[in-house]
Amino acid sequence: KQEVTQIPAALSVPEGENLVLNCSFTDSAIYNLQWFRQDPGKGLTSLLLIQSSQREQTSGRLNASLDKSSGRSTLYIAASQPGDSATYLCAVRETSYDKVIFGPGTSLSVIP
Amino acid sequence: DAGVTQSPTHLIKTRGQQVTLRCSPKSGHDTVSWYQQALGQGPQFIFQYYEEEERQRGNFPDRFSGHQFPNYSSELNVNALLLGDSALYLCASSPTGAEQYFGPGTRLTVT
Repeated sequence: KQEVTQIPAALSVPEGENLVLNCSFTDSAIYNLQWFRQDPGKGLTSLLLIQSSQREQTSGRLNASLDKSSGRSTLYIAASQPGDSATYLCAVRETSYDKVIFGPGTSLSVIP
Repeated sequence: DAGVTQSPTHLIKTRGQQVTLRCSPKSGHDTVSWYQQALGQGPQFIFQYYEEEERQRGNFPDRFSGHQFPNYSSELNVNALLLGDSALYLCASSPTGAEQYFGPGTRLTVT
């Protein structure tokens, strides 16, 4: 059974710092991995999606990497801003038709 | 093009009651999935509908049921509500086999 974990559960950093969020999954046979952002009480905003054949994806200050063999992904946020404060969720999909399996999230707070 | 929409935004129900949540997918999306997100946790998969049939189901009791209409919109029904059913309910739509897009969610509070 696929399980997704995220470390740390919460993170507080001063504005301007670069930071890394970690995601681990137990079964390396995934179809894709996706990072989401969730503001309090709101829905999910997709940040980056990495297909199983890819190693990384970049969007602006965000870079996500995928190492299927080790069952790990990292989300790198450069030059953090207070507006980056949110919960970041990692999720995997095992087939193109399958459900999305989420981790518990990392709550990020960027202090001005 | 409107994204995934859900109604209502918020809902308060009493234990034992029944509730229906609604989801309209993005235009052209034929697959709808429902997720439950308890406070402080990641979303948990409830079920997925495709061509008006339930294609996959997560580990949720039969009190949770759903429906998909010919226009691909969907409903989630929960019977005999429990306090533990209080959560954010998220709907996601996708074209067949493609990336899922999530709606804003319905916040259900059971008192």
